[in-house]
Amino acid sequence: EDQVTQSPEALRLQEGESSSLNCSYTVSGLRGLFWYRQDPGKGPEFLFTLYSAGEEKEKERLKATLTKKESFLHITAPKPEDSATYLCAVRLLGGGATNKLIFGTGTLLAVQP
Amino acid sequence: NAGVTQTPKFQVLKTGQSMTLQCAQDMNHEYMSWYRQDPGMGLRLIHYSVGAGITDQGEVPNGYNVSRSTTEDFPLRLLSAAPSQTSVYFCASAGGESQPQHFGDGTRLSIL
Repeated sequence: EDQVTQSPEALRLQEGESSSLNCSYTVSGLRGLFWYRQDPGKGPEFLFTLYSAGEEKEKERLKATLTKKESFLHITAPKPEDSATYLCAVRLLGGGATNKLIFGTGTLLAVQP
Repeated sequence: NAGVTQTPKFQVLKTGQSMTLQCAQDMNHEYMSWYRQDPGMGLRLIHYSVGAGITDQGEVPNGYNVSRSTTEDFPLRLLSAAPSQTSVYFCASAGGESQPQHFGDGTRLSIL
Protein backbone atom coordinates (compact mmCIF):
# COMPACT_ATOMS: atom_id res chain seq x y z
CA GLU A 1 0.00 0.00 0.00
CA ASP A 2 1.26 3.45 -0.92
CA GLN A 3 2.02 5.42 2.22
CA VAL A 4 3.58 8.71 3.31
CA THR A 5 4.71 9.19 6.92
CA GLN A 6 5.91 12.44 8.45
CA SER A 7 7.87 12.84 11.67
CA PRO A 8 7.83 14.26 14.20
CA GLU A 9 4.15 15.11 14.53
CA ALA A 10 5.06 18.28 16.38
CA LEU A 11 8.31 20.17 16.92
CA ARG A 12 9.05 23.13 19.14
CA LEU A 13 12.21 25.12 18.45
CA GLN A 14 13.82 28.21 19.86
CA GLU A 15 14.46 30.99 17.40
CA GLY A 16 17.77 30.25 15.68
CA GLU A 17 17.74 26.53 16.57
CA SER A 18 18.14 24.59 13.33
CA SER A 19 16.41 21.24 12.80
CA SER A 20 14.97 18.87 10.18
CA LEU A 21 11.57 17.44 9.38
CA ASN A 22 11.27 13.98 7.88
CA CYS A 23 8.98 12.56 5.20
CA SER A 24 9.36 8.85 4.49
CA TYR A 25 7.44 7.12 1.73
CA THR A 26 6.68 3.64 0.47
CA VAL A 27 5.13 3.88 -2.96
CA SER A 28 5.05 1.77 -6.09
CA GLY A 29 6.62 4.51 -8.17
CA LEU A 30 7.56 8.12 -7.44
CA ARG A 31 6.71 10.84 -9.92
CA GLY A 32 7.57 13.71 -7.60
CA LEU A 33 7.63 14.76 -3.96
CA PHE A 34 6.12 18.05 -2.85
CA TRP A 35 6.50 20.12 0.28
CA TYR A 36 3.77 22.52 1.37
CA ARG A 37 3.37 24.95 4.23
CA GLN A 38 -0.06 25.38 5.84
CA ASP A 39 -0.97 28.22 8.18
CA PRO A 40 -4.02 27.97 10.48
CA GLY A 41 -7.25 28.57 8.58
CA LYS A 42 -5.49 28.61 5.22
CA GLY A 43 -4.89 26.23 2.37
CA PRO A 44 -1.52 24.57 1.76
CA GLU A 45 1.06 26.81 0.11
CA PHE A 46 3.51 25.21 -2.30
CA LEU A 47 7.19 25.26 -1.30
CA PHE A 48 9.23 22.71 -3.31
CA THR A 49 9.08 19.89 -5.82
CA LEU A 50 11.75 17.17 -5.89
CA TYR A 51 11.86 14.55 -8.61
CA SER A 52 14.92 12.36 -8.15
CA ALA A 53 17.21 11.07 -5.42
CA GLY A 54 20.02 13.49 -4.66
CA GLU A 55 18.04 16.54 -5.70
CA GLU A 56 18.03 19.58 -3.39
CA LYS A 57 15.99 22.81 -3.42
CA GLU A 58 16.43 25.91 -1.25
CA LYS A 59 14.28 28.89 -0.37
CA GLU A 60 15.36 31.35 2.31
CA ARG A 61 15.83 29.32 5.52
CA LEU A 62 14.40 26.12 4.05
CA LYS A 63 16.21 23.36 2.17
CA ALA A 64 14.56 20.20 0.90
CA THR A 65 16.46 17.02 0.03
CA LEU A 66 15.38 13.68 -1.43
CA THR A 67 16.64 10.11 -1.19
CA LYS A 68 15.08 6.92 -2.55
CA LYS A 69 13.06 6.40 0.64
CA GLU A 70 12.65 9.79 2.30
CA SER A 71 12.84 13.53 2.10
CA PHE A 72 14.06 16.04 4.64
CA LEU A 73 13.06 19.65 5.11
CA HIS A 74 15.95 21.40 6.83
CA ILE A 75 15.19 24.64 8.63
CA THR A 76 18.23 26.80 9.33
CA ALA A 77 18.07 29.45 12.05
CA PRO A 78 14.26 29.51 12.12
CA LYS A 79 12.23 32.58 13.00
CA PRO A 80 8.79 32.72 14.66
CA GLU A 81 7.20 33.41 11.26
CA ASP A 82 8.31 29.93 10.16
CA SER A 83 5.75 28.47 12.57
CA ALA A 84 3.23 26.44 10.54
CA THR A 85 2.29 22.91 9.62
CA TYR A 86 4.55 21.45 6.94
CA LEU A 87 3.00 18.88 4.64
CA CYS A 88 4.71 16.36 2.42
CA ALA A 89 2.96 14.80 -0.59
CA VAL A 90 3.98 12.19 -3.13
CA ARG A 91 2.74 11.98 -6.70
CA LEU A 92 2.52 8.42 -7.91
CA LEU A 93 4.00 7.12 -11.13
CA GLY A 94 1.39 5.59 -13.43
CA GLY A 95 -2.15 4.65 -12.48
CA GLY A 96 -5.44 6.29 -13.43
CA ALA A 97 -5.23 9.36 -11.21
CA THR A 98 -2.50 11.18 -13.08
CA ASN A 99 -2.70 14.15 -10.80
CA LYS A 100 -3.16 12.17 -7.59
CA LEU A 101 -1.17 13.17 -4.55
CA ILE A 102 -0.81 11.14 -1.34
CA PHE A 103 -0.34 13.44 1.63
CA GLY A 104 1.33 12.86 4.96
CA THR A 105 -0.35 14.09 8.13
CA GLY A 106 2.11 16.94 8.58
CA THR A 107 4.56 18.28 11.15
CA LEU A 108 3.37 21.16 13.32
CA LEU A 109 6.34 23.48 13.84
CA ALA A 110 6.36 26.12 16.56
CA VAL A 111 9.30 28.53 16.74
CA GLN A 112 9.52 30.49 19.96
CA PRO A 113 11.24 33.89 20.15
CA ASN B 1 -4.44 37.87 -8.49
CA ALA B 2 -7.16 35.69 -6.91
CA GLY B 3 -5.77 32.19 -7.65
CA VAL B 4 -8.21 29.58 -6.32
CA THR B 5 -11.35 30.95 -4.68
CA GLN B 6 -13.66 28.81 -2.56
CA THR B 7 -17.09 29.75 -1.27
CA PRO B 8 -18.54 29.66 1.28
CA LYS B 9 -15.80 29.76 3.92
CA PHE B 10 -18.05 28.27 6.59
CA GLN B 11 -21.29 26.29 6.43
CA VAL B 12 -23.47 24.39 8.87
CA LEU B 13 -25.95 21.85 7.51
CA LYS B 14 -28.45 19.45 8.94
CA THR B 15 -28.26 15.74 8.15
CA GLY B 16 -29.94 15.03 4.84
CA GLN B 17 -29.57 18.51 3.37
CA SER B 18 -27.77 19.05 0.12
CA MET B 19 -25.42 21.82 -0.89
CA THR B 20 -22.77 22.82 -3.40
CA LEU B 21 -19.28 23.98 -2.53
CA GLN B 22 -17.99 26.39 -5.13
CA CYS B 23 -14.45 26.53 -6.52
CA ALA B 24 -13.14 28.89 -9.16
CA GLN B 25 -9.65 29.49 -10.49
CA ASP B 26 -8.37 32.27 -12.73
CA MET B 27 -5.07 30.70 -13.80
CA ASN B 28 -6.45 28.77 -16.80
CA HIS B 29 -5.39 25.50 -15.17
CA GLU B 30 -6.61 22.25 -16.69
CA TYR B 31 -6.23 20.14 -13.56
CA MET B 32 -8.57 20.66 -10.59
CA SER B 33 -9.13 18.55 -7.50
CA TRP B 34 -11.18 18.38 -4.34
CA TYR B 35 -9.71 17.18 -1.04
CA ARG B 36 -10.99 16.82 2.47
CA GLN B 37 -8.80 17.35 5.53
CA ASP B 38 -9.63 15.66 8.82
CA PRO B 39 -7.70 15.75 12.11
CA GLY B 40 -4.94 13.16 12.23
CA MET B 41 -5.31 12.29 8.56
CA GLY B 42 -3.62 13.62 5.49
CA LEU B 43 -5.51 15.42 2.79
CA ARG B 44 -7.59 12.86 0.90
CA LEU B 45 -8.64 13.17 -2.73
CA ILE B 46 -12.39 13.15 -3.34
CA HIS B 47 -12.73 13.86 -7.08
CA TYR B 48 -10.53 15.39 -9.73
CA SER B 49 -10.71 16.71 -13.27
CA VAL B 50 -8.12 16.90 -16.04
CA GLY B 51 -10.13 19.31 -18.16
CA ALA B 52 -13.59 20.62 -18.94
CA GLY B 53 -16.04 17.74 -19.31
CA ILE B 54 -13.68 15.19 -17.75
CA THR B 55 -13.93 14.07 -14.12
CA ASP B 56 -12.92 10.99 -12.16
CA GLN B 57 -13.11 9.59 -8.66
CA GLY B 58 -10.41 9.89 -6.07
CA GLU B 59 -9.87 8.01 -2.84
CA VAL B 60 -13.09 8.95 -0.99
CA PRO B 61 -15.78 9.79 -3.59
CA ASN B 62 -18.90 8.36 -1.92
CA GLY B 63 -21.56 10.95 -1.15
CA TYR B 64 -20.08 13.58 -3.46
CA ASN B 65 -20.67 14.57 -7.07
CA VAL B 66 -18.70 16.87 -9.35
CA SER B 67 -19.00 18.33 -12.81
CA ARG B 68 -16.67 20.48 -14.92
CA SER B 69 -18.51 22.50 -17.53
CA THR B 70 -15.86 25.23 -17.78
CA THR B 71 -12.10 25.41 -17.22
CA GLU B 72 -12.59 27.91 -14.40
CA ASP B 73 -15.18 26.21 -12.19
CA PHE B 74 -15.27 22.87 -10.38
CA PRO B 75 -18.19 22.64 -7.92
CA LEU B 76 -18.53 19.85 -5.38
CA ARG B 77 -22.03 18.67 -4.51
CA LEU B 78 -23.08 16.92 -1.33
CA LEU B 79 -26.21 14.98 -2.21
CA SER B 80 -27.50 14.13 1.29
CA ALA B 81 -25.22 15.43 4.02
CA ALA B 82 -24.09 13.05 6.77
CA PRO B 83 -22.20 13.84 10.01
CA SER B 84 -19.23 11.87 8.63
CA GLN B 85 -18.85 14.58 6.00
CA THR B 86 -17.98 17.17 8.62
CA SER B 87 -14.56 18.31 7.47
CA VAL B 88 -12.52 21.05 5.85
CA TYR B 89 -12.72 20.91 2.09
CA PHE B 90 -9.98 22.20 -0.18
CA CYS B 91 -10.06 22.81 -3.89
CA ALA B 92 -6.79 22.83 -5.84
CA SER B 93 -5.69 23.49 -9.40
CA ALA B 94 -2.55 22.75 -11.40
CA GLY B 95 -1.28 23.87 -14.77
CA GLY B 96 -0.12 20.43 -15.83
CA GLU B 97 0.24 16.84 -14.78
CA SER B 98 3.60 17.31 -13.07
CA GLN B 99 2.99 20.86 -11.86
CA PRO B 100 2.41 21.70 -8.18
CA GLN B 101 -1.16 22.19 -7.04
CA HIS B 102 -2.39 25.57 -5.83
CA PHE B 103 -4.94 25.43 -3.06
CA GLY B 104 -7.82 27.63 -2.01
CA ASP B 105 -8.35 28.56 1.62
CA GLY B 106 -10.99 25.92 2.23
CA THR B 107 -14.62 25.54 3.23
CA ARG B 108 -15.25 24.50 6.82
CA LEU B 109 -18.36 22.33 6.83
CA SER B 110 -20.25 21.03 9.85
CA ILE B 111 -23.07 18.52 9.54
CA LEU B 112 -25.39 18.31 12.55
